[in-house]
Amino acid sequence: EIVMTQSPATLSVYPGERATLSCRASQSVHSKLAWYQQNPGQAPRLLIYGASNRAPGVPARFNGSGSGTEFTLTISSLQSEDFAVYYCHQYGYWPLYTFGQGTRLQIK
Amino acid sequence: EVQLVESGGGLVKPGGSLRLSCAASGFTFSLYSMVWVRQAPGKGLEWLSVISGRDESETRYADSVKGRFTISRDNAKSSVSLHMNSLRAEDTAIYYCARETHEGDFDYWGLGTLVTVSS
Repeated sequence: EIVMTQSPATLSVYPGERATLSCRASQSVHSKLAWYQQNPGQAPRLLIYGASNRAPGVPARFNGSGSGTEFTLTISSLQSEDFAVYYCHQYGYWPLYTFGQGTRLQIK
Repeated sequence: EVQLVESGGGLVKPGGSLRLSCAASGFTFSLYSMVWVRQAPGKGLEWLSVISGRDESETRYADSVKGRFTISRDNAKSSVSLHMNSLRAEDTAIYYCARETHEGDFDYWGLGTLVTVSS
């Protein structure tokens, strides 16, 4: 099983600043990496697929990068609605998909 | 507009069974694989099962539910189901169905249905 490790577990950032979230895979998943945003009481929402492609309707302030085992989600100029939990998800080895444990992005 | 609506959750005793359903609309259902993902209270996401759109017999399961859960689909009704047997307290979670893209990510999710396993 590929283990996905997200860091940090919790990130405190001021509104308007930049947030950088990390996700590491225990072995290469190439670019088969997605990021999801989850607000309290809501279903996850796809933000990024293929490591760096924004899903339709996702604001340009969300950027994904990386390949292999190291991935980053950067959110520039944080808005109030961006404070949520973020999960990475590898789908490099169908169907043994795994998620990271999540990063909680909170207002500082 | 793509919509996924889960139903069938509820309270069940340990060892009991439950059948979850997910009604899909807004896309050609048979062209997509469908997945079930769960989230235990206060925890992260766990992929459970997938069923191919092309071949309904092509299914896979996470080790945690293999042998206890069965996924199925009815393309004529645009629905996917999850039959859950031998339920345990640790199966308590919100269960989501989601559409898997041809790349493998999950682009649409339902709102989820809560399953509580307790005596």
